Amino acid sequence: EPEVTQTPSHQVTQMGQEVILRCVPISNHLYFYWYRQILGQKVEFLVSFYNNEISEKSEIFDDQFSVERPDGSNFTLKIRSTKLEDSAMYFCAGSWGRTDTQYFGPGTRLTVL
Amino acid sequence: QKEVEQDPGPLSVPEGAIVSLNCTYSNSAFQYFMWYRQYSRKGPELLMYTYSSGNKEDGRFTAQVDKSSKYISLFIRDSQPSDSATYLCAMSDIGNEKLTFGTGTRLTIIP
Repeated sequence: EPEVTQTPSHQVTQMGQEVILRCVPISNHLYFYWYRQILGQKVEFLVSFYNNEISEKSEIFDDQFSVERPDGSNFTLKIRSTKLEDSAMYFCAGSWGRTDTQYFGPGTRLTVL
Repeated sequence: QKEVEQDPGPLSVPEGAIVSLNCTYSNSAFQYFMWYRQYSRKGPELLMYTYSSGNKEDGRFTAQVDKSSKYISLFIRDSQPSDSATYLCAMSDIGNEKLTFGTGTRLTIIP
């Protein structure tokens, strides 16, 4: 069964450093998403991406964040200058249609020191 | 009022019991309702997906949506220790793709 993969599984970085989180969605998915989950809190939407552009973003997704689908298979989330409060699990998800089921990856645990 | 409310638990029940998990919501525009299961430090895994009001059954799992009361439920029959996980409700409206999640209910099935 196809699945969403994410790398790395755990990333440790220093405050102020740039990080790139990578995702390989299920092939033929057209919509892509990033969510985050701070430890002990709910899963929160960050951004949705369709047809090579952002279709929706939350208030969390400020200028420090960017997304890219550089080669038609990978989907990346970049945080330009990490803050302590960016420490969280980051989940990539994808779906075939706008309101279709979203399939989640296993997540990347980001720890900012 | 939070957009989606879910009792965080924890909830412990003996093996074989029927489990009832619930969420309430305030946004009447929500049309799509999902239940995800999440094991510790893993990604959410879809269990049930329903559109608008009604019931949907899949094996031991039944999802119910009551839009008039803004209330959704997940029932697990003949619960197993492997059902021990955090259960997340999520919902979205027709206008956008983002999912709004509840806080999750941590469920433990005691053998």
